[in-house]
Amino acid sequence: KQEVTQIPAALSVPEGENLVLNCSFTDSAIYNLQWFRQDPGKGLTSLLLIQSSQREQTSGRLNASLDKSSGRSTLYIAASQPGDSATYLCAVRRETGANNLFFGTGTRLTVIP
Amino acid sequence: DVKVTQSSRYLVKRTGEKVFLECVQDMDHENMFWYRQDPGLGLRLIYFSYDVKMKEKGDIPEGYSVSREKKERFSLILESASTNQTSMYLCASNGQIPNTGELFFGEGSRLTVL
Repeated sequence: KQEVTQIPAALSVPEGENLVLNCSFTDSAIYNLQWFRQDPGKGLTSLLLIQSSQREQTSGRLNASLDKSSGRSTLYIAASQPGDSATYLCAVRRETGANNLFFGTGTRLTVIP
Repeated sequence: DVKVTQSSRYLVKRTGEKVFLECVQDMDHENMFWYRQDPGLGLRLIYFSYDVKMKEKGDIPEGYSVSREKKERFSLILESASTNQTSMYLCASNGQIPNTGELFFGEGSRLTVL
């Protein structure tokens, strides 16, 4: 069974710092990997989707990379802002199987003004 | 703008009541999902559906049922609500492979059972 791990569980950084969030998965036979943001009491908002054939995706200050062979993805946030404070989750979708989505438990990010 | 809409953001129900949570998506997605999210436990899949009238049990289906009569709508039913079903419920949808497979979530429904 696919296991998805996000370490650390929580992270605090001062405003303006660049930071990296990590996501690791045990089975490299993935179809895609997706990063989400969740604000307290809200649903998950999709940030970036990386297909298995891609190495990275960028959106504004966010850059996500994927290394399938090592089972790792990183989400890089440049010039962090207090508004980036949220929980960030990654999810992998396997190529096969009906129940083929696996989520990490998230990293809670706090950006200190 | 693509959307997954959950009908109720906040609900308060009494033990034993029947509860309906509705979810509608406008992206013509085949797959729809119901998750619950609790502190320290992450997202747990209750049920999912990959087509109209089709449903599959997820990891924690006990105490829940679902209905998918139309492609755009996926309902979660608590036949007799209990206090341990107090939680945040999240609906999501995506397309079948080889669609890009991007997963979209609704805003969530916070259910409190007294």
